Amino acid sequence: IAGITQAPTSQILAAGRRMTLRCTQDMRHNAMYWYRQDLGLGLRLIHYSNTAGTTGKGEVPDGYSVSRANTDDFPLTLASAVPSQTSVYFCASSEQGTDTQYFGPGTRLTVL
Amino acid sequence: GQNIDQPTEMTATEGAIVQINCTYQTSGFNGLFWYQQHAGEAPTFLSYNVLDGLEEKGRFSSFLSRSKGYSYLLLKELQMKDSASYLCAVMDSNYQLIWGAGTKLIIKP
Repeated sequence: IAGITQAPTSQILAAGRRMTLRCTQDMRHNAMYWYRQDLGLGLRLIHYSNTAGTTGKGEVPDGYSVSRANTDDFPLTLASAVPSQTSVYFCASSEQGTDTQYFGPGTRLTVL
Repeated sequence: GQNIDQPTEMTATEGAIVQINCTYQTSGFNGLFWYQQHAGEAPTFLSYNVLDGLEEKGRFSSFLSRSKGYSYLLLKELQMKDSASYLCAVMDSNYQLIWGAGTKLIIKP
């Protein structure tokens, strides 16, 4: 089934722990994105990648890192989680960086 | 700074028409997107406007005025399944999407 998958669906994490959120797409899209969504705020871009092998910082990159080793996968890592990183995280992809973005189902992360 | 404004919440009646407004101030403009997001789900793409005017797609239409920094999403013949949040987003000069906080639409029978 074509689309974007994210794992895990939800996670409760102790502060200070390392966590990697996984994102995989099978649409052969060049561009991929990580957003966080918090109540009352618009989606905020964390990191993006316009093509495999390249990454860029979005609006709120601090505390997060990404890698893009191939076209399909775009993992997001929290090196040392803090409670302010409690949020819903969405991965998205688009054919090119200028095109419509399509979203994965999201990961609900709680940091205690 | 960059800013997208849309009403926090709107209520409408099943079968009626509702217009959701969006105003924006961004550094550059490379198109405006509307997404629908049901509670607990991912945003799904509804429409894209880059030129002034009205784009119609079934029961949904989207309008853009670049000179006024304004767009609206028009939903006709409202159904209960249209209860959702509607997100307005503008692609800026760096081709990054700037998102509004969303409008929660409540449909009453």
